[in-house]
Amino acid sequence: DVKVTQSSRYLVKRTGEKVFLECVQDMDHENMFWYRQDPGLGLRLIYFSYDVKMKEKGDIPEGYSVSREKKERFSLILESASTNQTSMYLCASNSPGLAGGPANIQYFGAGTRLSVL
Amino acid sequence: AQTVTQSQPEMSVQEAETVTLSCTYDTSESDYYLFWYKQPPSRQMILVIRQEAYKQQNATENRFSVNFQKAAKSFSLKISDSQLGDAAMYFCAYRSALNRFSGTYKYIFGTGTRLKVLA
Repeated sequence: DVKVTQSSRYLVKRTGEKVFLECVQDMDHENMFWYRQDPGLGLRLIYFSYDVKMKEKGDIPEGYSVSREKKERFSLILESASTNQTSMYLCASNSPGLAGGPANIQYFGAGTRLSVL
Repeated sequence: AQTVTQSQPEMSVQEAETVTLSCTYDTSESDYYLFWYKQPPSRQMILVIRQEAYKQQNATENRFSVNFQKAAKSFSLKISDSQLGDAAMYFCAYRSALNRFSGTYKYIFGTGTRLKVLA
């Protein structure tokens, strides 16, 4: 089974802190994604990566950056956390093209609930 | 741009009964996939069912089935014989055609429907 592991289930940080959210997948997937989940807004894509050191902005990248130094690990960075970044963060991964099958199903981690005070 | 709309923020169903969750989408693409994902409370999101746009036959997975109306751009999920374990947030999702420049797909999610199952 595909396993996507997010390092923390719950985090509490203070405004202005630098925050790292870590995600590791064990299926050699090329693609990794960071989403933000808020009530009434669904999942919104922050950033995704389609290869090591390659990244693309999603729909709401402002205030976030990412790092992918190794294929299995994709980090989301909040350079200076703000209260409006309090949310649930979901990591996902999949394989592109034929390697992932025609549907390219995404596999999700359990989520990190971040509170910024 | 593609959009996915789930107009029911919350639904309730009696145990053993049938419930239908609605999803509509908007796209100009002809090649795409549609998914329903389930997110149980405090647990990770998992795939329930998927549908290829070019297939007319509706997908089924045990008690879960879809009603895919391509012309109407509608993709509803039917859960038969509802069980307590079906209580969760359900997300409808759209996967776009391949972006040949980046070799990637775009995934768009609806706002979710919270399903409560009453004993």
